[in-house]
Amino acid sequence: DAGVIQSPRHEVTEMGQEVTLRCKPISGHNSLFWYRQTMMRGLELLIYFNNNVPIDDSGMPEDRFSAKMPNASFSTLKIQPSEPRDSAVYFCASRDQTGASNEQYFGPGTRLTVT
Amino acid sequence: AQSVTQLDSQVPVFEEAPVELRCNYSSSVSVYLFWYVQYPNQGLQLLLKYLSGSTLVESINGFEAEFNKSQTSFHLRKPSVHISDTAEYFCAVSGAGSYQLTFGKGTKLSVIP
Repeated sequence: DAGVIQSPRHEVTEMGQEVTLRCKPISGHNSLFWYRQTMMRGLELLIYFNNNVPIDDSGMPEDRFSAKMPNASFSTLKIQPSEPRDSAVYFCASRDQTGASNEQYFGPGTRLTVT
Repeated sequence: AQSVTQLDSQVPVFEEAPVELRCNYSSSVSVYLFWYVQYPNQGLQLLLKYLSGSTLVESINGFEAEFNKSQTSFHLRKPSVHISDTAEYFCAVSGAGSYQLTFGKGTKLSVIP
């Protein structure tokens, strides 16, 4: 299994530009999570999907952030317009909800730098 | 709601010495507990987990953690560390049946040759 796949691995953009981060969860996993990691705030859950439906988006910081999951094998996190304070590492994680535990499998992350 | 406290943000230790990374949690319900490891420029990888049963759980690379319900702790230990153990370690808690994982702030383990 290839694990959770994220692209791009690195993104550098200018303030005001639109940024789209992509995630392919592990095949067969029905839950998907987007996290943001910063030095100041650590790991924060942004949004949680179950069976492609957003269940909890209370962690999405502002309306500039949006996430979609059009099918079981693909999700996007979009920031429009981007700001320097959005600079962080963004992780996608997936989980098999039918499993015995709440173990989540993380992708390698996208390091976003907004200048 | 759950919370996790990792008491040490950085832990330097000499190679082949023992190490303990501390984790305390709070929860009003039964919990699952996890340790994840993050190597530089990589995502988080599950190191070990406690769901139920034996309170001592082990990983394949020599780490172990013990669930202590009375002290609400899940400390991570290794009797002899290697240079390759240098990484950041995250403790996480989940309420049984909950989708949420609550992470601690992380502990950076630096193994000194």
